[in-house]
Amino acid sequence: AQSVAQPEDQVNVAEGNPLTVKCTYSVSGNPYLFWYVQYPNRGLQFLLKYITGDNLVKGSYGFEAEFNKSQTSFHLKKPSALVSDSALYFCAVRDPTSGTYKYIFGTGTRLKVLA
Amino acid sequence: DVKVTQSSRYLVKRTGEKVFLECVQDMDHENMFWYRQDPGLGLRLIYFSYDVKMKEKGDIPEGYSVSREKKERFSLILESASTNQTSMYLCASSSRGWNSPLHFGNGTRLTVT
Repeated sequence: AQSVAQPEDQVNVAEGNPLTVKCTYSVSGNPYLFWYVQYPNRGLQFLLKYITGDNLVKGSYGFEAEFNKSQTSFHLKKPSALVSDSALYFCAVRDPTSGTYKYIFGTGTRLKVLA
Repeated sequence: DVKVTQSSRYLVKRTGEKVFLECVQDMDHENMFWYRQDPGLGLRLIYFSYDVKMKEKGDIPEGYSVSREKKERFSLILESASTNQTSMYLCASSSRGWNSPLHFGNGTRLTVT
C-alpha cells in the first residue's frame, strides 16, 4: 500500500539558517512526489514536484527538494529560512502503478522560523 | 492561474441537517477531489471524480455523497450532519496527467452543533 511519512510534527529554525522538512514514502512503483504549503486559514499551495531525472528539484519561494531513491525520501530544503516561511508543509505521493487516481498525503509538518 | 472556489469559508449547521458544500474550478480540469483536514490526521480523501457524472470513493466516504453534473463543479453532500463531521473541508482539482499537481480552494470550516 502507498504511504507517506513526515516524522516531525514541528520543526523550529532560526531565520537565516538552512531548513529541512523530512518526507519518506512507500510505493510499489516509481512515484511522483509533491510538496505543498498551507498558510493559516488557507488551502494548500503547490511548491514543487519530482517526476524523473535530476534528483534536486527547484520550486517556488526558493524551496528545493532532494529525491533519494535508495532511502525513499524526498526532503524539502531551503538554504536560508525566512519568518514568512512559517507554515504547515505537506508531502504527497502518487503512484501510477497503483491503479488509483489518489494523491496520498503525509500528516504535515509545522515549520516555525524564529526571528 | 487556476482558481478553485469554495462557496463558503465558514458554515455552522445543526445535527441532522443536510449540508451542501460547493466547489467550482475554472481551468477545465478533469479531476476533482474532496478532502477533509483534521489536526494530526493530515488530509483524508472523501471522494474524487475523474469526469462528469463519474465518482469514486476515497478513504472515508461514509456519511458523504458527491455530485458532478458539470465539469467545473463538484459538490459534497452530508446527508445528515453529525458532530464528528466538524472539520475543514478542502476541494481540489487537477488535470489528467499523473504528474499534475493539485490546486486547492481555500477550504470550508464546517461546525456541526
